[in-house]
Amino acid sequence: DVKVTQSSRYLVKRTGEKVFLECVQDMDHENMFWYRQDPGLGLRLIYFSYDVKMKEKGDIPEGYSVSREKKERFSLILESASTNQTSMYLCASSLWGASTEAFFGQGTRLTVV
Amino acid sequence: GDSVTQMEGPVTLSEEAFLTINCTYTATGYPSLFWYVQYPGEGLQLLLKATKADDKGSNKGFEATYRKETTSFHLEKGSVQVSDSAVYFCALSAGNDYKLSFGAGTTVTVRA
Repeated sequence: DVKVTQSSRYLVKRTGEKVFLECVQDMDHENMFWYRQDPGLGLRLIYFSYDVKMKEKGDIPEGYSVSREKKERFSLILESASTNQTSMYLCASSLWGASTEAFFGQGTRLTVV
Repeated sequence: GDSVTQMEGPVTLSEEAFLTINCTYTATGYPSLFWYVQYPGEGLQLLLKATKADDKGSNKGFEATYRKETTSFHLEKGSVQVSDSAVYFCALSAGNDYKLSFGAGTTVTVRA
């Protein structure tokens, strides 16, 4: 079974902290994605990566950065957490190509206080 | 840019009722279309997909047909069960970078 593992299910951080969300996949997928999920807004793409050290901005990249040093790992970084970044964060991976299935992690519920 | 618009919820149905969730899209070129489902407390998983016009995706009694002329990919199930209660997301993948874009999601609750 494909597995996408996110490092934490729940996280509470203070405003201004630097926050790292980690995601690891075990199926040698080229593509990896970070989304945030908010009620009424669905999933919004923050960043995605189609290869090691490659990254592309999604629809809402402001306040976030990413790192992909190894193919299996894709990290989302909140440089200075703010309360409006309180959300559910979902990581996904897929093979290269438009018709391939994306596999999702369980999500990280981040609360910034 | 590419986008997906799906029917707003929430939707509440009785068991064995017919379910339809509308989804329309805007995309350049010929996108692949997907329905993902998120059961309570779980991550998203693929329900079905279609990769070209007139293709029908099907799984677990759900069906959706890729209609290029109406840019739609509506999800249907003839007889829902309580276990179908979930959030359903329409999505598309298009362009050279294969970015995966989602709709807002539709919450479906099926009552016994």
